[in-house]
Order: sequence, then structure tokens, then C-alpha cells
Amino acid sequence: AQSVTQLDSHVSVSEGTPVLLRCNYSSSYSPSLFWYVQHPNKGLQLLLKYTSAATLVKGINGFEAEFKKSETSFHLTKPSAHMSDAAEYFCVVSGIDKLVFGAGTILRVKS
Amino acid sequence: NAGVTQTPKFRILKIGQSMTLQCTQDMNHNYMYWYRQDPGMGLKLIYYSVGAGITDKGEVPNGYNVSRSTTEDFPLRLELAAPSQTSVYFCASSLPSVNSGTNYEQYFGPGTRLTVT
Repeated sequence: AQSVTQLDSHVSVSEGTPVLLRCNYSSSYSPSLFWYVQHPNKGLQLLLKYTSAATLVKGINGFEAEFKKSETSFHLTKPSAHMSDAAEYFCVVSGIDKLVFGAGTILRVKS
Repeated sequence: NAGVTQTPKFRILKIGQSMTLQCTQDMNHNYMYWYRQDPGMGLKLIYYSVGAGITDKGEVPNGYNVSRSTTEDFPLRLELAAPSQTSVYFCASSLPSVNSGTNYEQYFGPGTRLTVT
């Protein structure tokens, strides 16, 4: 069965500093992996996806993630945080005909 | 394209009442999903459908029913509302998965915030 673990429930950074949101996954086959973002009282928006092409995936708003099969990780990074990045982020792994969501990481950006 | 639309945006129900949450997509996606989101718990899959006339249970189906008579619509029915069903409900849709491991991204609606008292 597929599963995903987001290692931090909350992350706090200062504006202009790097962001790292950690995600480990478990899958019995080569998975598709996604990061979604949810701003307060909004729906979920796709940030980026990995589907067995390049292991370094670039997404919207300057975010990127690296697929590391040996570490079963798919961490999300951004070089410089912006106030508008404050939101909840979900790491997601594909299952058969459905997706499996992590519990989420709330990112706080301090001015 | 409007994408995935959900109605209503908010609803308060009394215990034992019933209601239907509506979901419509205009992207001609075969796959549709219903999730509930509770604080700190991520999204839990309630039901999903891989095409008109086909539905299947997710992780937390108890207390809910669905139907899929058209490609566009996937309503979620609560028959006897309970306080445990207080949550935010999201509908999503996607293209069919290519194989057992490769899935297309899901597109989400704006959500329905339901309170049962």
C-alpha cells in the first residue's frame, strides 16, 4: 500500500530565507508524487508533480522538489520565502486510481 | 472553463437531517473524488468514481452515499447527519490513470464547509 509522511507539522521561516518541507513516501511501485498548496479557506492548488521523468521538478512560484528513490523522499524547497507562501502544503503519492495525502505542513513566514 | 464547482459553500445541519453536496466538472474528466478535511488530518477519501455508473468506497465511506449518472456530476449524500460529519468537503476530478502507478493530478473544487449541531 502507498503512504506518505510529512515530517514536520509546522515550519516557520523568515521572509527571504530558504524553505524546506520534508516528505517521505512508501510505494510498492514507481509512484507519481505531487505537492499541493492550500491557502486559508481555499481549495487545493497543484504546485508540482513528478511522474518518472526528471528527478528535479520545478513548480509554480519558485518551488521545486527532488525525487530521491534511494531515500524514498520528495522534499519541497524554495530559495527565498515570500509572505504569500504562508499556507498549508500537502505531499501526495499516487495509488491505484487514487491519491494518498500526507497530513500537511503549515508554513509560517515571518516578516 | 469553470473547472470543478461545488455547492453550497456553507451549510449548517441539525443532527439527523439529510442533504446532498453537489459537484460538477466541465473538463470531461472520467475520474471524480470526494474528500473530507479535518484539522491536522490531511484529506481522507470518502468515495470515488472512475466513470459514469461506477463508484467505489474510499477510506471513510460510512454515513455517505454517492451516485454518478453523468460524467459531469458526482453528488455526495448525507442521510442522517451526525456531529462527526462536521468537516470541510472537497470534490476533485482527474483524467484516468495511465497505469497502476502513474496518476494525473487532481483538480479541486473550492470546498463545502459543513457543520452538524
